[in-house]
Amino acid sequence: GQNIDQPTEMTATEGAIVQINCTYQTSGFNGLFWYQQHAGEAPTFLSYNVLDGLEEKGRFSSFLSRSKGYSYLLLKELQMKDSASYLCAASFKAAGNKLTFGGGTRVLVKP
Amino acid sequence: GAVVSQHPSRVICKSGTSVKIECRSLDFQATTMFWYRQFPKQSLMLMATSNEGSKATYEQGVEKDKFLINHASLTLSTLTVTSAHPEDSSFYICSAQTPGLAGDEQFFGPGTRLTVL
Repeated sequence: GQNIDQPTEMTATEGAIVQINCTYQTSGFNGLFWYQQHAGEAPTFLSYNVLDGLEEKGRFSSFLSRSKGYSYLLLKELQMKDSASYLCAASFKAAGNKLTFGGGTRVLVKP
Repeated sequence: GAVVSQHPSRVICKSGTSVKIECRSLDFQATTMFWYRQFPKQSLMLMATSNEGSKATYEQGVEKDKFLINHASLTLSTLTVTSAHPEDSSFYICSAQTPGLAGDEQFFGPGTRLTVL
Protein backbone atom coordinates (compact mmCIF):
# COMPACT_ATOMS: atom_id res chain seq x y z
CA GLY A 1 0.00 0.00 0.00
CA GLN A 2 0.90 3.67 -0.07
CA ASN A 3 -0.35 4.80 3.33
CA ILE A 4 0.34 8.40 4.10
CA ASP A 5 0.19 9.06 7.84
CA GLN A 6 -0.01 12.40 9.59
CA PRO A 7 -1.47 13.51 12.93
CA THR A 8 -5.13 14.39 12.98
CA GLU A 9 -4.99 17.60 14.97
CA MET A 10 -2.48 19.99 16.51
CA THR A 11 -2.96 23.10 18.62
CA ALA A 12 -0.43 25.88 19.01
CA THR A 13 -0.21 29.45 20.24
CA GLU A 14 0.07 32.51 18.04
CA GLY A 15 3.74 33.34 17.44
CA ALA A 16 4.90 29.81 18.19
CA ILE A 17 6.28 27.07 15.93
CA VAL A 18 4.50 23.90 14.93
CA GLN A 19 5.92 20.88 13.11
CA ILE A 20 3.60 18.55 11.23
CA ASN A 21 5.07 15.14 10.50
CA CYS A 22 4.18 12.89 7.60
CA THR A 23 5.34 9.35 6.94
CA TYR A 24 4.92 7.32 3.78
CA GLN A 25 6.03 4.02 2.31
CA THR A 26 9.30 4.47 0.45
CA SER A 27 8.77 1.87 -2.26
CA GLY A 28 8.40 3.64 -5.60
CA PHE A 29 8.29 7.06 -3.97
CA ASN A 30 8.73 10.01 -6.28
CA GLY A 31 8.03 13.30 -4.50
CA LEU A 32 6.09 14.89 -1.68
CA PHE A 33 3.72 17.85 -1.61
CA TRP A 34 2.29 19.92 1.20
CA TYR A 35 -0.99 21.77 0.72
CA GLN A 36 -2.91 24.14 2.96
CA GLN A 37 -6.69 23.96 3.00
CA HIS A 38 -9.03 26.33 4.80
CA ALA A 39 -12.48 25.03 5.60
CA GLY A 40 -14.73 24.98 2.55
CA GLU A 41 -11.97 25.97 0.19
CA ALA A 42 -9.71 24.15 -2.23
CA PRO A 43 -6.17 23.16 -1.26
CA THR A 44 -3.40 25.62 -2.05
CA PHE A 45 0.15 24.56 -2.83
CA LEU A 46 2.78 25.12 -0.17
CA SER A 47 5.81 23.05 -1.12
CA TYR A 48 7.22 20.19 -3.16
CA ASN A 49 10.19 18.09 -2.07
CA VAL A 50 11.99 15.59 -4.25
CA LEU A 51 15.50 15.70 -2.80
CA ASP A 52 16.56 15.17 0.81
CA GLY A 53 16.82 18.24 2.95
CA LEU A 54 15.07 21.37 4.01
CA GLU A 55 13.31 23.81 1.70
CA GLU A 56 12.52 27.17 3.25
CA LYS A 57 9.86 29.56 2.02
CA GLY A 58 9.34 32.44 4.38
CA ARG A 59 7.55 31.26 7.52
CA PHE A 60 6.98 27.79 6.07
CA SER A 61 9.65 25.13 5.58
CA SER A 62 9.42 21.54 4.43
CA PHE A 63 11.84 18.71 5.05
CA LEU A 64 12.24 15.37 3.34
CA SER A 65 14.21 12.21 4.12
CA ARG A 66 13.73 9.75 1.28
CA SER A 67 15.50 6.88 3.06
CA LYS A 68 13.31 7.23 6.15
CA GLY A 69 10.04 7.86 4.34
CA TYR A 70 9.55 10.99 6.39
CA SER A 71 8.67 14.60 5.81
CA TYR A 72 7.66 17.50 7.98
CA LEU A 73 6.14 20.90 7.46
CA LEU A 74 7.37 23.58 9.82
CA LEU A 75 5.24 26.63 10.45
CA LYS A 76 7.03 29.48 12.21
CA GLU A 77 5.73 32.68 13.80
CA LEU A 78 2.23 31.28 13.72
CA GLN A 79 -0.60 33.63 12.85
CA MET A 80 -4.30 33.16 13.43
CA LYS A 81 -4.84 32.84 9.69
CA ASP A 82 -2.63 29.73 9.71
CA SER A 83 -5.50 27.81 11.33
CA ALA A 84 -6.31 25.32 8.57
CA SER A 85 -5.84 21.74 7.50
CA TYR A 86 -2.44 20.78 6.13
CA LEU A 87 -2.39 17.95 3.64
CA CYS A 88 0.61 15.78 2.93
CA ALA A 89 0.49 14.16 -0.51
CA ALA A 90 2.96 11.83 -2.19
CA SER A 91 3.46 10.77 -5.77
CA PHE A 92 4.60 7.26 -6.57
CA LYS A 93 6.10 5.97 -9.82
CA ALA A 94 3.65 3.07 -10.04
CA ALA A 95 0.71 5.44 -9.76
CA GLY A 96 1.75 7.59 -12.68
CA ASN A 97 0.91 11.20 -12.06
CA LYS A 98 -1.63 10.67 -9.29
CA LEU A 99 -1.21 11.98 -5.78
CA THR A 100 -2.02 10.00 -2.65
CA PHE A 101 -3.20 12.24 0.17
CA GLY A 102 -2.83 11.77 3.87
CA GLY A 103 -5.79 12.37 6.13
CA GLY A 104 -4.78 15.96 6.78
CA THR A 105 -3.71 17.67 10.00
CA ARG A 106 -6.04 20.31 11.43
CA VAL A 107 -3.99 23.04 13.04
CA LEU A 108 -5.69 25.37 15.47
CA VAL A 109 -3.83 28.54 16.36
CA LYS A 110 -4.91 30.11 19.65
CA PRO A 111 -4.25 33.69 20.76
CA GLY B 1 -0.64 31.60 -13.78
CA ALA B 2 -2.01 28.03 -13.53
CA VAL B 3 -5.54 28.99 -12.54
CA VAL B 4 -8.32 26.41 -12.42
CA SER B 5 -11.98 27.36 -12.14
CA GLN B 6 -15.02 25.31 -11.23
CA HIS B 7 -18.66 25.97 -11.88
CA PRO B 8 -20.99 26.05 -10.08
CA SER B 9 -19.44 26.78 -6.71
CA ARG B 10 -22.54 25.58 -4.90
CA VAL B 11 -25.55 23.56 -6.02
CA ILE B 12 -28.62 22.23 -4.27
CA CYS B 13 -30.72 19.68 -6.07
CA LYS B 14 -33.52 17.21 -5.46
CA SER B 15 -32.87 13.52 -5.09
CA GLY B 16 -32.94 11.75 -8.45
CA THR B 17 -31.77 14.66 -10.55
CA SER B 18 -28.43 14.95 -12.34
CA VAL B 19 -25.87 17.64 -11.71
CA LYS B 20 -23.03 18.71 -13.99
CA ILE B 21 -19.87 20.31 -12.62
CA GLU B 22 -17.38 22.01 -14.93
CA CYS B 23 -13.65 22.30 -14.38
CA ARG B 24 -11.61 24.64 -16.54
CA SER B 25 -7.92 25.43 -16.75
CA LEU B 26 -7.90 29.13 -17.56
CA ASP B 27 -4.35 29.89 -18.59
CA PHE B 28 -2.78 26.57 -19.48
CA GLN B 29 -3.66 23.37 -21.28
CA ALA B 30 -4.23 20.49 -18.91
CA THR B 31 -3.45 17.06 -20.30
CA THR B 32 -4.76 15.48 -17.13
CA MET B 33 -7.55 16.47 -14.79
CA PHE B 34 -8.43 14.78 -11.53
CA TRP B 35 -11.73 14.67 -9.68
CA TYR B 36 -11.80 14.40 -5.90
CA ARG B 37 -14.53 14.14 -3.32
CA GLN B 38 -14.13 15.40 0.20
CA PHE B 39 -16.48 14.73 3.11
CA PRO B 40 -16.45 17.02 6.16
CA LYS B 41 -13.26 16.82 8.22
CA GLN B 42 -11.79 14.24 5.88
CA SER B 43 -9.06 14.39 3.29
CA LEU B 44 -9.39 14.35 -0.46
CA MET B 45 -10.40 11.05 -1.99
CA LEU B 46 -9.50 10.61 -5.65
CA MET B 47 -12.50 9.56 -7.72
CA ALA B 48 -11.07 9.45 -11.21
CA THR B 49 -8.29 10.56 -13.52
CA SER B 50 -9.27 12.13 -16.81
CA ASN B 51 -7.02 12.50 -19.83
CA GLU B 52 -8.07 14.63 -22.75
CA GLY B 53 -9.63 12.62 -25.52
CA SER B 54 -9.74 9.32 -23.68
CA LYS B 55 -11.94 7.56 -21.16
CA ALA B 56 -11.51 8.41 -17.52
CA THR B 57 -9.84 5.96 -15.16
CA TYR B 58 -11.93 5.44 -12.04
CA GLU B 59 -10.64 4.53 -8.60
CA GLN B 60 -11.82 1.36 -6.97
CA GLY B 61 -15.30 1.71 -5.53
CA VAL B 62 -16.32 4.67 -7.69
CA GLU B 63 -19.23 3.91 -10.01
CA LYS B 64 -18.40 5.09 -13.49
CA ASP B 65 -22.04 5.01 -14.58
CA LYS B 66 -23.01 7.28 -11.71
CA PHE B 67 -20.15 9.73 -12.00
CA LEU B 68 -19.77 10.51 -15.69
CA ILE B 69 -16.59 12.28 -16.66
CA ASN B 70 -15.95 13.95 -19.98
CA HIS B 71 -12.64 15.59 -20.90
CA ALA B 72 -13.43 16.92 -24.34
CA SER B 73 -10.70 19.54 -24.58
CA LEU B 74 -7.40 20.46 -23.00
CA THR B 75 -9.07 23.12 -20.90
CA LEU B 76 -12.38 21.55 -19.87
CA SER B 77 -13.47 18.49 -17.95
CA THR B 78 -16.98 17.85 -16.65
CA LEU B 79 -18.27 15.60 -13.90
CA THR B 80 -21.94 14.65 -14.00
CA VAL B 81 -23.46 13.13 -10.90
CA THR B 82 -26.39 11.13 -12.26
CA SER B 83 -29.50 10.37 -10.22
CA ALA B 84 -28.04 12.12 -7.22
CA HIS B 85 -28.96 10.95 -3.72
CA PRO B 86 -28.39 12.58 -0.32
CA GLU B 87 -25.30 10.42 0.27
CA ASP B 88 -23.71 12.08 -2.78
CA SER B 89 -23.73 15.40 -0.91
CA SER B 90 -20.10 16.38 -0.66
CA PHE B 91 -17.43 18.85 -1.69
CA TYR B 92 -16.20 18.01 -5.19
CA ILE B 93 -12.81 19.37 -6.20
CA CYS B 94 -11.04 19.12 -9.53
CA SER B 95 -7.39 19.63 -10.25
CA ALA B 96 -5.38 20.00 -13.42
CA GLN B 97 -1.90 18.94 -14.34
CA THR B 98 0.32 19.18 -17.37
CA PRO B 99 3.83 17.88 -18.11
CA GLY B 100 6.56 20.44 -17.74
CA LEU B 101 4.46 22.66 -15.52
CA ALA B 102 5.82 22.35 -11.99
CA GLY B 103 6.46 18.60 -12.19
CA ASP B 104 3.68 16.53 -10.68
CA GLU B 105 2.01 19.54 -9.12
CA GLN B 106 -1.74 19.64 -9.39
CA PHE B 107 -3.53 22.96 -9.52
CA PHE B 108 -6.84 22.83 -7.72
CA GLY B 109 -10.13 24.43 -8.56
CA PRO B 110 -12.13 26.20 -5.82
CA GLY B 111 -14.48 23.26 -5.35
CA THR B 112 -18.21 22.67 -5.74
CA ARG B 113 -20.43 22.10 -2.72
CA LEU B 114 -23.21 19.69 -3.71
CA THR B 115 -26.23 19.26 -1.46
CA VAL B 116 -28.82 16.69 -2.45
CA LEU B 117 -32.16 17.04 -0.69
